[in-house]
Amino acid sequence: DIQMTQSPSSLSASVGDRVTITCRASQSISNYLNWYQQKPGKAPKLLIYAASTLQGGVPSRFSGSGSGTDFTLTITSLQPEDFATYYCHQSHSMPNTFGQGTKLEIK
Amino acid sequence: QVTLRESGPALVKPTQTLTLTCNFSGFSLSTSGMCVSWIRQPPGKALEWLARIDWDDDKYYTTSLKTRVTISKDTSKNQVVLTMTNMDPVDTATYYCARTRSAAAGAIDSWGQGTLVTVSS
Repeated sequence: DIQMTQSPSSLSASVGDRVTITCRASQSISNYLNWYQQKPGKAPKLLIYAASTLQGGVPSRFSGSGSGTDFTLTITSLQPEDFATYYCHQSHSMPNTFGQGTKLEIK
Repeated sequence: QVTLRESGPALVKPTQTLTLTCNFSGFSLSTSGMCVSWIRQPPGKALEWLARIDWDDDKYYTTSLKTRVTISKDTSKNQVVLTMTNMDPVDTATYYCARTRSAAAGAIDSWGQGTLVTVSS
């Protein structure tokens, strides 16, 4: 199975900051990497698929990049509603796998 | 508008079999490229991908649970069913069903609200 490792596990930032979350796959997954945002008590929400394609309705301050084994999610100009937990997900191979999550907290 | 809703028991006893049903609307599992996945999340922990069934009836399972989990579909009823045998307290989690589209690189683009299943005697 492909292991997905996110870093950092948690992150403190302020409104207006730019933050970057990293996801590393244990083997190449091409661009089959997706990012989700989850708020407490809610289902995850797809932000980015295929490493860099913004899902409809997602603000343009979210962006994704990478291919192969290393990927990043960047949020520019953090907004109060962005404080949540973020997960990466590889859909290249079966079984699919998720990263362990990155909790983004208000500083 | 795509919607998915999970249903099933909130409480199961250890060793029992869990059966969860996902009722969905806004898409058809007979359409090429459409899939439904199950994902779970223990309280306070990360998401865990469990299984997926595709429009062509291909089925996939997570390695650690493949002997315990079965996924099936009833296309005419817009339903997907997940069964998990020999439930244990460590299986306590919120279980989500979700739509997956191969056209979106296999991303999970619509989620149900989730159903909390507690395993306890």
